[in-house]
Formats: sequence, C-alpha cells, structure tokens
Amino acid sequence: EAGVVQSPRYKIIEKKQPVAFWCNPISGHNTLYWYLQNLGQGPELLIRYENEEAVDDSQLPKDRFSAERLKGVDSTLKIQPAELGDSAVYLCASSLGQGANTGELFFGEGSRLTVL
Amino acid sequence: AQSVAQPEDQVNVAEGNPLTVKCTYSVSGNPYLFWYVQYPNRGLQFLLKYITGDNLVKGSYGFEAEFNKSQTSFHLKKPSALVSDSALYFCAVRDPNAGNMLTFGGGTRLMVKP
Repeated sequence: EAGVVQSPRYKIIEKKQPVAFWCNPISGHNTLYWYLQNLGQGPELLIRYENEEAVDDSQLPKDRFSAERLKGVDSTLKIQPAELGDSAVYLCASSLGQGANTGELFFGEGSRLTVL
Repeated sequence: AQSVAQPEDQVNVAEGNPLTVKCTYSVSGNPYLFWYVQYPNRGLQFLLKYITGDNLVKGSYGFEAEFNKSQTSFHLKKPSALVSDSALYFCAVRDPNAGNMLTFGGGTRLMVKP
C-alpha cells in the first residue's frame, strides 16, 4: 500500500515568490494534516481536514498561507508571498479519523522549502 | 492546553547498552501518548502508542515505553541500543476531550556509538 505522497521534495525560491505543495494521503484516510517543522524542532500543526472540511486552522497564517482539499482526498498548501522565515519542512500526514484507537498519523517525507 | 516536554536535546549511548528517552506531558484528561522516529531527510514514522490498558507498551524495532500517570511521563526505552537507532525521536500527546489534535515535543536526538 502506498504511503502519504508529497511533492515537491525540495523547493528553492526567492522571497516574495509563491510556492505550492501537494499531498496525496493514504487511500481511505479521511483526516489530513499539514505540519510545519523547523530544523531540530517538533512538528507544529498548521491545518487539519476532516474530509474536505478544515476543522482546525487556528495556526495557519492566513495572510499568506492557504490550503484546500476540494474532493476530500488530495490537498495543496500554498504560500504567497513567501518570506525568509518560511524556510522549513512542510509535512503532510493522514489518519483514519477519530475514535479511541486513532491518533496514529502516517507522515509523508516532507517538502523542504528554502526561501532566499 | 495540552503540551509535551522532552527535557534532553540529545542522548548518547553506546551500542548494546540500554537507552531511555524522556517525555513528560500535560493534558486535562486521560492522555493518548505516542512516540515517533525521524531519520534524516525523512518523514516521521510511528513507533508505539498508549491509549489504555497495560502501562508498558511495546512497539516497532524493539522499543517500548512506560506510561506513568503519577509522574505524567511516557519514557521511551530499549534494552540494547543499535547504531541504526540513531535518529530524532518525538513524543506526542492527544487529549481525546480536545479534538483530534496531536501535539509534539521538541524532539530528542539519539546518538548510538559503536
């Protein structure tokens, strides 16, 4: 079974340019997450989707960041315009949803963004 | 609000020796606790979880963790470390009464030397 797929793996852009990341979760996983991971730190949640609905986006900087999951499967995360401080790894994860035994997230390999 | 603390930035251990990576948590209710491992330039991989039941849980690659409610801890352990265990380890907590949000600690780098 394929895992969570993210692209691109690496992206280098100049500041003020736009950038987009794509995520394909594990088939059947209705919950999708975007996390931000700075170097040497733990992941921080940006946004969580239950199917196509964004149920937790309180940590998403909405002035420059946007995300969508139109059909409840794939998702894109966009930054426009990018700033130097956005350099980080953007992790996508998916899970089967809520319930007593959930909480196990499956992560993609991440998209490493460098803003020059 | 839920939180996780990993007090050690790095743990060094010799191959063959036992290892412990520490984690303490804070939640309002009964916690769901997790350990993840991250190898260089890779995503996080699930190791083990505690939901309920036995306080000692066993996971992948010979790792185990002990839930201690009185000390609000969930330390990761392995009886005999391997060089290949060298990686970044993250503890995470979810408060089932606060939605499906998983909060991660800052991570501990484990270095196993031959």
